Amino acid sequence: ETGVTQSPTHLIKTRGQQVTLRCSSQSGHNTVSWYQQALGQGPQFIFQYYREEENGRGNFPPRFSGLQFPNYSSELNVNALELDDSALYLCASSSLGTSGANVLTFGAGSRLTVL
Amino acid sequence: KQEVTQIPAALSVPEGENLVLNCSFTDSAIYNLQWFRQDPGKGLTSLLLIQSSQREQTSGRLNASLDKSSGRSTLYIAASQPGDSATYLCADPTGANNLFFGTGTRLTVIP
Repeated sequence: ETGVTQSPTHLIKTRGQQVTLRCSSQSGHNTVSWYQQALGQGPQFIFQYYREEENGRGNFPPRFSGLQFPNYSSELNVNALELDDSALYLCASSSLGTSGANVLTFGAGSRLTVL
Repeated sequence: KQEVTQIPAALSVPEGENLVLNCSFTDSAIYNLQWFRQDPGKGLTSLLLIQSSQREQTSGRLNASLDKSSGRSTLYIAASQPGDSATYLCADPTGANNLFFGTGTRLTVIP
């Protein structure tokens, strides 16, 4: 059973650029959630994708967008990058719709630095 | 909106000591409570999940308890080891699609 994999692990962009982060969900999971973790802070929920549609969104502007593909993998896109977007971006997969708690499995994250 | 607070923000203990990490939340109407471990620059590893019908969970040297009436959870680590050094985060998986995280407690276990 493979876990959640994210790419790239590190990247550097300049203000105003666009970035795409990728996530492959754990085998058997149908849902992907994205979190932003600034240095010294807890992760903040960006949005979740289920059945290729957005299924809940946190307090993030529209320039944060995403996609989920038929194989349940996902992308996070951020347009018009700002300095404050520098953070660790975490992807988590889960099986929505099954009984019991919605237990998330996290990837190792993508570290984005905006200069 | 649920807010989760973790105390202390940082903790340094000698190897072998037992320790307690605290987590409190503003909305006691939580369903589950989950504890995670995060190593520097890495993702999160789930340690323990306390579901609504439970009051505590144990895994090896770790024990987590949940008191909904007071809005508090504690993570007890017995006989701490240098390998336990990490940041510990608690989270309230209130909804089906969101986890509210605390800011974490950064633990250092000194050999």
